[in-house]
Amino acid sequence: AQTVTQSQPEMSVQEAETVTLSCTYDTSESDYYLFWYKQPPSRQMILVIRQEAYKQQNATENRFSVNFQKAAKSFSLKISDSQLGDAAMYFCAYKDNSIYAGKSTFGDGTTLTVKP
Amino acid sequence: ETGVTQTPRHLVMGMTNKKSLKCEQHLGHNAMYWYKQSAKKPLELMFVYNFKEQTENNSVPSRFSPECPNSSHLFLHLHTLQPEDSALYLCASSPTGGGLATDTQYFGPGTRLTVL
Repeated sequence: AQTVTQSQPEMSVQEAETVTLSCTYDTSESDYYLFWYKQPPSRQMILVIRQEAYKQQNATENRFSVNFQKAAKSFSLKISDSQLGDAAMYFCAYKDNSIYAGKSTFGDGTTLTVKP
Repeated sequence: ETGVTQTPRHLVMGMTNKKSLKCEQHLGHNAMYWYKQSAKKPLELMFVYNFKEQTENNSVPSRFSPECPNSSHLFLHLHTLQPEDSALYLCASSPTGGGLATDTQYFGPGTRLTVL
C-alpha cells in the first residue's frame, strides 16, 4: 500500500522568507501523481501544485515550487517570499495513475505559521 | 465557493438521530468523494463515486450510508453515530475516472459534525 509521510507537524517562517515543507512517499508504481494541498484555518482545501511522476521537470506555480526526487521518493514544497496568507495546514498527497478516480493517500499535514 | 458546496456547515446530533450531509458540485465533474478529517489524523477516504457508481468503500461502518443520485450531488446519510465519529467531513469532486494528471480533486468547505 502507498504511504505518505510528512515528518514536520509544524513549521514557521518569517514573512518574505523561504520555507521548505518535506514529504516522502512509498510506492511500487512508476506512474503516479503527487499533490500539495493547502487548508487555511476554517477554509476550503485547495490545490497548490501537482507533479506528474513521469515528468523530470519540477513543477512551479508562482511562489510555490517543488523538489521532486523520484529515486528518493521525495516531494518537498518550497514557498518563496512567504506571505501571511500562506499560513495554513499543508497536505502532501499521492495518487496512482488509475483508470478510475480513486484513492489519494494523504500525509498527516504540516501546519505552517507565518510570522510578521 | 461556487465549485463544491456542502450543507450544513455545522451539525450537532445525538447518537440516536438520523441526519444527512449534502454535497453539490458545479464543475461538471464525474467523480465525487467523501473524506473524514479528524484532529491529529490524516485525511481518511470514505467513499468514491464514478459516474454515479460507487467504486470505493474504504471499510466504512454501515452507520454511514452514501447516496449519489447524479454526478452533481452526493449525500452522506448518518444514523446511530458514535462520539468518535465527530470530525470534519469533506466532499470532493474530480473531472474524470482517475488516470489523468488533470484529475485533481476540488474540495468543499466541509461539514463540522459533532456527535453528542
